[in-house]
Amino acid sequence: DTGVSQDPRHKITKRGQNVTFRCDPISEHNRLYWYRQTLGQGPEFLTYFQNEAQLEKSRLLSDRFSAERPKGSFSTLEIQRTEQGDSAMYLCASSNQQYQETQYFGPGTRLLVL
Amino acid sequence: ELKVEQNPLFLSMQEGKNYTIYCNYSTTSDRLYWYRQDPGKSLESLFVLLSNGAVKQEGRLMASLDTKARLSTLHITAAVHDLSATYFCAVDTVGNQFYFGTGTSLTVIP
Repeated sequence: DTGVSQDPRHKITKRGQNVTFRCDPISEHNRLYWYRQTLGQGPEFLTYFQNEAQLEKSRLLSDRFSAERPKGSFSTLEIQRTEQGDSAMYLCASSNQQYQETQYFGPGTRLLVL
Repeated sequence: ELKVEQNPLFLSMQEGKNYTIYCNYSTTSDRLYWYRQDPGKSLESLFVLLSNGAVKQEGRLMASLDTKARLSTLHITAAVHDLSATYFCAVDTVGNQFYFGTGTSLTVIP
C-alpha cells in the first residue's frame, strides 16, 4: 500500500442526482479526513474519522452530505441531491496519530454538477 | 472560526533569488503544516512544525513557527524552476479540524 487512493477520479453528474465517492487510506492510518477544494482556494475541512468514529463535522457541511467509515478502513462520502455549487475537488487524507499528524492526501475526486 | 491568511497570494520571482512566504493565523495553535500543490495534483506534505521556535529545512525551503506571534514563515533560498507550485499552510485545532490558508502561487522565472 503506497498511498491514499480515491475513486472515481472524475465524476460528472446532473443537478439533483446523488453521488458517492470512496477513499482508501494508508493501511495503518487510523485517522481519515475529507476536504473540499474549489479553484484558487485552500482545502476546506468537511469531516474527520478516528477509526470508525466520525469525531468532527464542519458546520458548513449541509445535511445533504454524509460520510461513513465502516470498520475503520475505507470511507465513503455521499452527496445527495447535488447542486451546481457542489462542483469541486473532493480530497481525502489519512494520518497516523502516532507520527506527528502529517496528513497524506489522495489524488482527489473532481466533481462537476451540470 | 480560525482564520489562516497567507501573504503574498501570488509571487513571481527570478531563479537564484530569495523570498519569504508568511502565514498568519487567528487563534492559539501549536501545530502548523506546510504543503505543496502542483497544478491539477493533490497536496504533498512539506513540513510539520509542532512547537514555538520550531525550524525545519529541506533543500531550498526552510519553515519556522512563532506561536506567540501566530506566524509561520516559509523561506525560499536561491529559487529554482522546480519550486514553482502553490504552497499552503494549515493549522489544526484542539478538535482536530484543519484550517488551510488560501495558498501562495509561486512562479520561478528563469
